[in-house]
Amino acid sequence: RKEVEQDPGPFNVPEGATVAFNCTYSNSASQSFFWYRQDCRKEPKLLMSVYSSGNEDGRFTAQLNRASQYISLLIRDSKLSDSATYLCVVNTASGGSYIPTFGRGTSLIVHP
Amino acid sequence: GAGVSQSPRYKVTKRGQDVALRCDPISGHVSLYWYRQALGQGPEFLTYFNYEAQQDKSGLPNDRFSAERPEGSISTLTIQRTEQRDSAMYRCASSPPKIAGANVLTFGAGSRLTVL
Repeated sequence: RKEVEQDPGPFNVPEGATVAFNCTYSNSASQSFFWYRQDCRKEPKLLMSVYSSGNEDGRFTAQLNRASQYISLLIRDSKLSDSATYLCVVNTASGGSYIPTFGRGTSLIVHP
Repeated sequence: GAGVSQSPRYKVTKRGQDVALRCDPISGHVSLYWYRQALGQGPEFLTYFNYEAQQDKSGLPNDRFSAERPEGSISTLTIQRTEQRDSAMYRCASSPPKIAGANVLTFGAGSRLTVL
């Protein structure tokens, strides 16, 4: 079983739609959670950190459920420019340190 | 530098040759990570350094892979006796000292390795 699991999609939505992605992680000792965005043929870039109480950044809302070991990302009022792959990242315990561990990513396509 | 710089951007080599991939992190970033990314997959952890010390190399696939960061800045990932299955995008990322235990990564553009 992979340490961080995501539905690869693609999620195909019209402009203006609300879309949500989930991510589950297997190691209950994990700490620090993030969403990264990766555009086609580009490097991943930090989108937002995920805090226990949930957090919002404009049209983006991230939630963490430690009991169920999942993280979510909600995008409201989708824009064409939101089309990208969204990578869930979990700091996973490994031999005394924490390694940023990536899911395979969820592909989002926003169409006119 | 302003960002994480990786070289070469593209490397085509023949099976059995050795390759060295270089990463120049953001100035002042303590931690440096190497990942490998296959098409349609997320980055897969290989190894990481704090300053010059290699903290974890559990992700290196086998002993043909090695990495060093001798002066705590530039790092080199070396693959000996390359095989076709080594073909992938190799990504380097650096992060500043942790804030509240969180390490935020800044990635370079990557080195695309093709082994013929």
